[in-house]
Amino acid sequence: DTGVSQNPRHKITKRGQNVTFRCDPISEHNRLYWYRQTLGQGPEFLTYFQNEAQLEKSRLLSDRFSAERPKGSFSTLEIQRTEQGDSAMYLCASSLDGSPRTQYFGPGTRLLVL
Amino acid sequence: GNSVTQMEGPVTLSEEAFLTINCTYTATGYPSLFWYVQYPGEGLQLLLKATKADDKGSNKGFEATYRKETTSFHLEKGSVQVSDSAVYFCALNRRNQFYFGTGTSLTVIP
Repeated sequence: DTGVSQNPRHKITKRGQNVTFRCDPISEHNRLYWYRQTLGQGPEFLTYFQNEAQLEKSRLLSDRFSAERPKGSFSTLEIQRTEQGDSAMYLCASSLDGSPRTQYFGPGTRLLVL
Repeated sequence: GNSVTQMEGPVTLSEEAFLTINCTYTATGYPSLFWYVQYPGEGLQLLLKATKADDKGSNKGFEATYRKETTSFHLEKGSVQVSDSAVYFCALNRRNQFYFGTGTSLTVIP
């Protein structure tokens, strides 16, 4: 069990550019979550996958954000036309089915939009 | 709706002091409750959890009891150590979503 991994760990981009982040969950976990965390705040839910199906999306996830999990394993989160307000830590977590759905978090990708 | 409210920090304690971090929640139905910890430079780690009323979660000397009557899940530790310095997040799970508090920063000084 190598835990949840995320790449890159840091990303600096210019406003208007597109960025893509990757999350590799714990191998047997079928549920995968994306969160955004800004300084001094807790993680805010963005979206959730069960296997390859994206089952829920927060209203925080504007049309510039898209997430995929094509084979039910790793997931990508893309932000198009980045804005300075997108600067945050993007967290990925995974869990098994069942209750409670204990989530295991990755180290996050810190995005800075200049 | 579903939400979590944590006591605001930062909290600074001397080593071996008693710790309480308050957490209250609002939820529809019967959520599961969690405490996560984030050490400097690291990701969130599950500290403890409780799935139903009156359950007590415990780990590494920390405890929290799921109190349905007061909708609370306060985190306690009898004697904190310098290594407990971190940010602590209370969270609830209801259906497919998790809701986190804003976090409470704890610094323990020798």
